[in-house]
Amino acid sequence: GAGVSQSPRYKVAKRGQDVALRCDPISGHVSLFWYQQALGQGPEFLTYFQNEAQLDKSGLPSDRFFAERPEGSVSTLKIQRTQQEDSAVYLCASTSPGQNTEAFFGQGTRLTVV
Amino acid sequence: GENVEQHPSTLSVQEGDSAVIKCTYSDSASNYFPWYKQELGKRPQLIIDIRSNVGEKKDQRIAVTLNKTAKHFSLHITETQPEDSAVYFCAASPSRLGYSTLTFGKGTMLLVSP
Repeated sequence: GAGVSQSPRYKVAKRGQDVALRCDPISGHVSLFWYQQALGQGPEFLTYFQNEAQLDKSGLPSDRFFAERPEGSVSTLKIQRTQQEDSAVYLCASTSPGQNTEAFFGQGTRLTVV
Repeated sequence: GENVEQHPSTLSVQEGDSAVIKCTYSDSASNYFPWYKQELGKRPQLIIDIRSNVGEKKDQRIAVTLNKTAKHFSLHITETQPEDSAVYFCAASPSRLGYSTLTFGKGTMLLVSP
């Protein structure tokens, strides 16, 4: 596609509910990142995929967070038993192969846990 | 891990003035320093980046300088315009990982008044 696409744009979840956030990266981009952006803060790294392999999940805040990219394209970030502190914008970014290449961000999913 | 500090948190200037945003980083292995502009409710977009093998880079009204010794880099915007109003984030990425996980500063809200 023309850019990184994320859905849904907005999600309201009741505390304890499970949610799934989708990211469709730019075609041909093997690297995919998830970031969490709290209100008024910079994005914080959650996890990294190279094709279908999750090479770094050091930023996931708890075992309630799980990400997958089974076919090396679309990725899903799942949050189980959501809590109020999970409220944030979840950004997905993809880059072309190589190091220090531009990260293209999606518009994000704003998650509000009530 | 990497820690990026960004100042100021807010910056108000008159149209036509210059704006300077400063960042420091902690990890001497970082070698890629992008700057992102994020308008309200929109995705972060890369405006300029610099790699550690150069000390300065310019693109029209925007310039970035890097001082590796001091672990310091800055964004300079000249002849500011109202459409420059947004939140600006600096970021740093270490080379050791083989992929570019970005550590962001907390952002600077730039307001350009006509």
